Amino acid sequence: GAGVSQSPSNKVTEKGKDVELRCDPISGHTALYWYRQSLGQGLEFLIYFQGNSAPDKSGLPSDRFSAERTGGSVSTLTIQRTQQEDSAVYLCASSPPGATNNEQFFGPGTRLTVL
Amino acid sequence: AQSVTQLGSHVSVSEGALVLLRCNYSSSVPPYLFWYVQYPNQGLQLLLKYTSAATLVKGINGFEAEFKKSETSFHLTKPSAHMSDAAEYFCAVSANSGAGSYQLTFGKGTKLSVIP
Repeated sequence: GAGVSQSPSNKVTEKGKDVELRCDPISGHTALYWYRQSLGQGLEFLIYFQGNSAPDKSGLPSDRFSAERTGGSVSTLTIQRTQQEDSAVYLCASSPPGATNNEQFFGPGTRLTVL
Repeated sequence: AQSVTQLGSHVSVSEGALVLLRCNYSSSVPPYLFWYVQYPNQGLQLLLKYTSAATLVKGINGFEAEFKKSETSFHLTKPSAHMSDAAEYFCAVSANSGAGSYQLTFGKGTKLSVIP
């Protein structure tokens, strides 16, 4: 079946511009996670969605970062007024219902470059 | 709070030799532990997971890992390295954050090179 998909695969933007990154989780998966992978910081958790519950935003690095999940499926991560330190690969992952062992299925990522 | 330490950012082995990638974790609650592999320009693929059912866990591609609570370790091994095993490997721990999230905390990764 189809895995987690992310778009775009690559995004180059200028400092100060806003960007939107999209994640389509595996159909039927209720949990959705965003992570950031950068050279300096490794893999970091950003935000978590579970069904209709309030998201866990504890990993967002600043108020320039926000995310939403519409209809319990597709998610969009928005970065406002991008900075060069935002350059990274942004990974999305999803988990099926009841997966308390938290096996997460990852998408291929979006590589963001801020010039 | 939890954390993961992977010893060795880069490991080189000869083709056919034993692969040993080290991972130590810290967790205030019983953890779930994972090894993921990442090939260049790709996402993360699950190799294996420990969820308390058995301390020796077998995964895909001939990899296995042993959970040792006394040593807080979860080292990844493969008896005989293959050229296709060259990739970056990440150890991760998951525990309920209390806010319902089971986010993964990753180690820094170990890049495995296989020498022909």
